[in-house]
Amino acid sequence: AQTVTQSQPEMSVQEAETVTLSCTYDTSESDYYLFWYKQPPSRQMILVIRQEAYKQQNATENRFSVNFQKAAKSFSLKISDSQLGDAAMYFCAYTLGGGATNKLIFGTGTLLAVQP
Amino acid sequence: GAGVSQSPRYKVTKRGQDVALRCDPISGHVSLYWYRQALGQGPEFLTYFNYEAQQDKSGLPNDRFSAERPEGSISTLTIQRTEQRDSAMYRCASSPWGTSGEQYFGPGTRLTVT
Repeated sequence: AQTVTQSQPEMSVQEAETVTLSCTYDTSESDYYLFWYKQPPSRQMILVIRQEAYKQQNATENRFSVNFQKAAKSFSLKISDSQLGDAAMYFCAYTLGGGATNKLIFGTGTLLAVQP
Repeated sequence: GAGVSQSPRYKVTKRGQDVALRCDPISGHVSLYWYRQALGQGPEFLTYFNYEAQQDKSGLPNDRFSAERPEGSISTLTIQRTEQRDSAMYRCASSPWGTSGEQYFGPGTRLTVT
């Protein structure tokens, strides 16, 4: 069975600094996708970034980038130039590929605080 | 365009009552998912549909939970004889076909069973 593990329940970063959130996963599949979702206090679920397992290049979205290590089954999120609005719960998630859509499997989340 | 909508946004019910939670996906989205999220936890999969067909209901915790999507658009998640342990945020998400797993989430329904 596929699992997603986030080992950091809470993290803190100073405004304008860089922070890295960790995520590991377990799967025997070769075709899958990985995501980071942000959940601010409003409790919306906002997609931050997506990575296809078959792509070696790490995904980036503005200040957000990932370090995808397929062999190690590691998928960390780096937030550069942290802003107060980045404060939220961050969830790592996995889903199977193969064309059809599949369920997302989430980690337990990392609560990020941004200090002014 | 409009995103995924859910109603009601908040529901308080007494133990033993039935509740129906509604999800209206993004127009044209083929797949619709239901998740349940306890406070401080990640969402957990309940069930999903492609069009009107329920593809996977392995996440439904017991037979008090059921879901339908009769016309391949709006979906209803029904919980019969609610219990306090059913209290949680219930989230719906939708996705077009073959979009590499991206799902678009609604705002959720906060269910409290007293």
